[in-house]
Amino acid sequence: NAGVMQNPRHLVRRRGQEARLRCSPMKGHSHVYWYRQLPEEGLKFMVYLQKENIIDESGMPKERFSAEFPKEGPSILRIQQVVRGDSAAYFCASSPGQGIRETQYFGPGTRLLVL
Amino acid sequence: DQQVKQNSPSLSVQEGRISILNCDYTNSMFDYFLWYKKYPAEGPTFLISISSIKDKNEDGRFTVFLNKSAKHLSLHIVPSQPGDSAVYFCAARLNSWGKLQFGAGTQVVVTP
Repeated sequence: NAGVMQNPRHLVRRRGQEARLRCSPMKGHSHVYWYRQLPEEGLKFMVYLQKENIIDESGMPKERFSAEFPKEGPSILRIQQVVRGDSAAYFCASSPGQGIRETQYFGPGTRLLVL
Repeated sequence: DQQVKQNSPSLSVQEGRISILNCDYTNSMFDYFLWYKKYPAEGPTFLISISSIKDKNEDGRFTVFLNKSAKHLSLHIVPSQPGDSAVYFCAARLNSWGKLQFGAGTQVVVTP
């Protein structure tokens, strides 16, 4: 049973370019969460999605960041016009649904470096 | 607003001894608490969890204690092994599902 998959594992972008990060949840999981970890800090929640729905985007920066989880295919976190401050590790987690006290399982992360 | 705090950035413990990691929180509405372990260049791995209606949960070498009145939880690892050397994150959640709020992590080093 494959775990949460993220690609690419490493991504280098120049300032002003776009970054697209992909996440495939565990088999049978329909809920996806995105978190960001800045150097020397803990993980910070960004967005929570179900298939075709954004449930909670309270942690998303107001500009340049967007996320989707289409009916088919992986969840995508998109960062437009990247700046150096976007350099971080981005982790995706998945869970089966909205059951009682569900555990989120994390992928290996995408490390974004903005030059 | 940091609602989950791990005040010890690092912990060194001898192999075979007990590791005790601490976590404090400020929001009394948190319903569920989890501990994750993270190796460099990998994603967090779930270790153990506890709901707010319990005060202890045990799984093998790992035990989590919850003191709701003090808004404090701790993770005990007995006995500590070299493979336990990692960063440990405490996380809390308001509901049965939804976003996790993480502490800053504690780096554990288990020495021979």
